Amino acid sequence: DAMVIQNPRYQVTQFGKPVTLSCSQTLNHNVMYWYQQKSSQAPKLLFHYYDKDFNNEADTPDNFQSRRPNTSFCFLDIRSPGLGDAAMYLCATSRTRQTRTSGIYNEQFFGPGTRLTVL
Amino acid sequence: GENVEQHPSTLSVQEGDSAVIKCTYSDSASNYFPWYKQELGKRPQLIIDIRSNVGEKKDQRIAVTLNKTAKHFSLHITETQPEDSAVYFCASPLPGKLIFGQGTTLQVKP
Repeated sequence: DAMVIQNPRYQVTQFGKPVTLSCSQTLNHNVMYWYQQKSSQAPKLLFHYYDKDFNNEADTPDNFQSRRPNTSFCFLDIRSPGLGDAAMYLCATSRTRQTRTSGIYNEQFFGPGTRLTVL
Repeated sequence: GENVEQHPSTLSVQEGDSAVIKCTYSDSASNYFPWYKQELGKRPQLIIDIRSNVGEKKDQRIAVTLNKTAKHFSLHITETQPEDSAVYFCASPLPGKLIFGQGTTLQVKP
């Protein structure tokens, strides 16, 4: 089945120890997103890739980086995790990028998430 | 930029009753309004969406209405069941992304 896969599902790291979260998709979608979701809050977009074009949100800390080596895979790197970075990290994909004028409407497909714990 | 306000933040109903969640948006150019359901510990999943050229869309027990003049859209769940208990998020688009509302925790009491 076509899907969005995230590994690992649970990740424990130490304060300041770099960690990488992985996302892969079999949908062949052009766009991949990384969201941070804290308890009882809405998903917060960190950045997205449209093909190889990286788009960072203005308020995403420099501590968060991303790589997309090919269409199927996207990685989230947290260079020096702090206690405040403990959260669920959700990867999502969409076929193409939402626009207003072209009439393109894009459902986002979410992965199951990786729950990050920082000790 | 786009701002999405969602109300209420929590909603408790008896099984069989209806539930309504409302979102307002600020950008009059917004043209697509999805609703996502997120069960505890699970991923958000699209349950229904509406495009700006229609005023209402139904899918079995759920419906979404859109008022472009007032810039708000609402999710309606009829004959609620315990499995409807979840967090519901509305969203509104900006180029390249969705802006999510704050979420509504719906509890359906048996």
